[in-house]
Amino acid sequence: EAGVVQSPRYKIIEKKQPVAFWCNPISGHNTLYWYLQNLGQGPELLIRYENEEAVDDSQLPKDRFSAERLKGVDSTLKIQPAELGDSAVYLCASSLRQGVTNTGELFFGEGSRLTVL
Amino acid sequence: QKEVEQNSGPLSVPEGAIASLNCTYSDRGSQSFFWYRQYSGKSPELIMFIYSNGDKEDGRFTAQLNKASQYVSLLIRDSQPSDSATYLCAVRKSSASKIIFGSGTRLSIRP
Repeated sequence: EAGVVQSPRYKIIEKKQPVAFWCNPISGHNTLYWYLQNLGQGPELLIRYENEEAVDDSQLPKDRFSAERLKGVDSTLKIQPAELGDSAVYLCASSLRQGVTNTGELFFGEGSRLTVL
Repeated sequence: QKEVEQNSGPLSVPEGAIASLNCTYSDRGSQSFFWYRQYSGKSPELIMFIYSNGDKEDGRFTAQLNKASQYVSLLIRDSQPSDSATYLCAVRKSSASKIIFGSGTRLSIRP
């Protein structure tokens, strides 16, 4: 079974430029998450989707960040314009709904490392 | 107060000894607790989850939960150099809630 796929793995841009990250979750996983992880810190939630609906985006800086999950499968996270402080790893994760037969654990992609110069 | 707190470490443990990692959480209504391992430059991967008070064992790993004290721990027996990584504690309030991570504890197993 294929895992969570993210692209690009690495991206270097100059400040004020736009950037987009793409995520393809595990087939059948209805919940998709975008996390931001700075060096030496734990992942911080940016947005969580249940199917097509963004159910938790309180931590997403909406002045420059946007996300979408068309058809409840793939998702794109965009930053425009990027700032120096946006340099981090952007992690996508997916899960099934927690229930009797599953833990609802998160399965992470390999991440997209952004460097803003 | 952070929602999930961990000592950042590094925690240095000799090979073959028991490594003990601790985590506290602030929301008393939390129901699900996870331990993820993250190697340098890699993504987190689940190693243990626990829902009920008490101990849960899986191979060399034991997760311990004390909801009254709002405390979760992870014990690693017979520590190996391959256990050297950052261990992330994660908490979920309910099956419909988001998962919140601590900042992680860096563990180093010295030969």
